[in-house]
Amino acid sequence: AQSVTQLDSHVSVSEGTPVLLRCNYSSSYSPSLFWYVQHPNKGLQLLLKYTSAATLVKGINGFEAEFKKSETSFHLTKPSAHMSDAAEYFCVVSDVGSSNTGKLIFGQGTTLQVKP
Amino acid sequence: KAGVTQTPRYLIKTRGQQVTLSCSPISGHRSVSWYQQTPGQGLQFLFEYFSETQRNKGNFPGRFSGRQFSNSRSEMNVSTLELGDSALYLCASSQVGGETQYFGPGTRLLVL
Repeated sequence: AQSVTQLDSHVSVSEGTPVLLRCNYSSSYSPSLFWYVQHPNKGLQLLLKYTSAATLVKGINGFEAEFKKSETSFHLTKPSAHMSDAAEYFCVVSDVGSSNTGKLIFGQGTTLQVKP
Repeated sequence: KAGVTQTPRYLIKTRGQQVTLSCSPISGHRSVSWYQQTPGQGLQFLFEYFSETQRNKGNFPGRFSGRQFSNSRSEMNVSTLELGDSALYLCASSQVGGETQYFGPGTRLLVL
């Protein structure tokens, strides 16, 4: 079975400092991995996705993530946090197999707080 | 292109009632998946529809059901509402299912 574990439930950074949100995955297949962001009272917005084309994936708003198979990790980073980055972030794996179409498996989420 | 739309955005119901939520996918997308989001359980997969057929279902009781129409719009229905059904219900669409999903703003359901 596939799963994702977000290692921190809450991360707090100061504006202008780097952001690191950690995610480990478990998969029997070559996974498709995603990061989504959810601002308060909003739906989920896709930040970036990994589908085996390149291990370093660039997303929107300056975010990027690196797929490391040896460490089964897919950490999300940003060089400089902005106040508008404060939100909930979800690491997600696409469940695969003939009977599991259309199913995403979500981590528990990491709340990013950005202090002025 | 317009994004995924969900109606209504907010609902208040009482225990025992039933509710129907609607989702219109991005134009050209044929797969619609539904998810329930609660503070305790996080985001959980409900079911997925493609070409009017349910292809996949999560671990929810039979009170949760859905359907998809020929124009790919989808509805989900919850019968005999329980307090624990209070949640944000999100739908997502993708072109054929299994790859990148794009989410709507959600319907927030409160059961009293």
